[in-house]
Amino acid sequence: NAGVTQTPKFQVLKTGQSMTLQCAQDMNHNSMYWYRQDPGMGLRLIYYSASEGTTDKGEVPNGYNVSRLNKREFSLRLESAAPSQTSVYFCASSASGLPSGETQYFGPGTRLLVL
Amino acid sequence: DAKTTQPPSMDCAEGRAANLPCNHSTISGNEYVYWYRQIHSQGPQYIIHGLKNNETNEMASLIITEDRKSSTLILPHATLRDTAVYYCIVRAISGGSNYKLTFGKGTLLTVNP
Repeated sequence: NAGVTQTPKFQVLKTGQSMTLQCAQDMNHNSMYWYRQDPGMGLRLIYYSASEGTTDKGEVPNGYNVSRLNKREFSLRLESAAPSQTSVYFCASSASGLPSGETQYFGPGTRLLVL
Repeated sequence: DAKTTQPPSMDCAEGRAANLPCNHSTISGNEYVYWYRQIHSQGPQYIIHGLKNNETNEMASLIITEDRKSSTLILPHATLRDTAVYYCIVRAISGGSNYKLTFGKGTLLTVNP
């Protein structure tokens, strides 16, 4: 039981390049989330998927797209990377549907540097 | 979701109890108190949550005041590995669009040898 896994762990991009961050969970959770964390700041929600087949914008969705490929996988795509997207990206999942199921479990993060 | 206030930093001696306070004076009746922590360079880790009763698990205890306007996270025997930023989060469990966790700046707990 690996929990939430993310790939890659580190990535360097040039401005304008595109890439996809991958996230998978093996806990049979319904909901998945993408956050970004900038130095000295808390996490900010980019997009979330309440259930398979649905996605919704969070606080800072501009410049990103997401795909809920199946129940296990939720990917985040940067179509044209910008230096402002340099950050640490965390994926999370939760069972949802129950009060106790709202607990979110986080992956180890992807560190992205855009030059 | 209600706003929370936490001290920016605290120190604790190894082996002693760490008591981390959180104020949430605008909490509503359907809002839970959640605690997460983030060890340097790692993803946030769930610790505990509660509604109005005190809660205990293998990691910590959560004490919520009777008026629910504040709470305290207690790590009974702090170790060096407990050095982390601790986030107190208040949120309603109501489904719909209430899925996001609002992380503030939290409290940096430093456990000293």
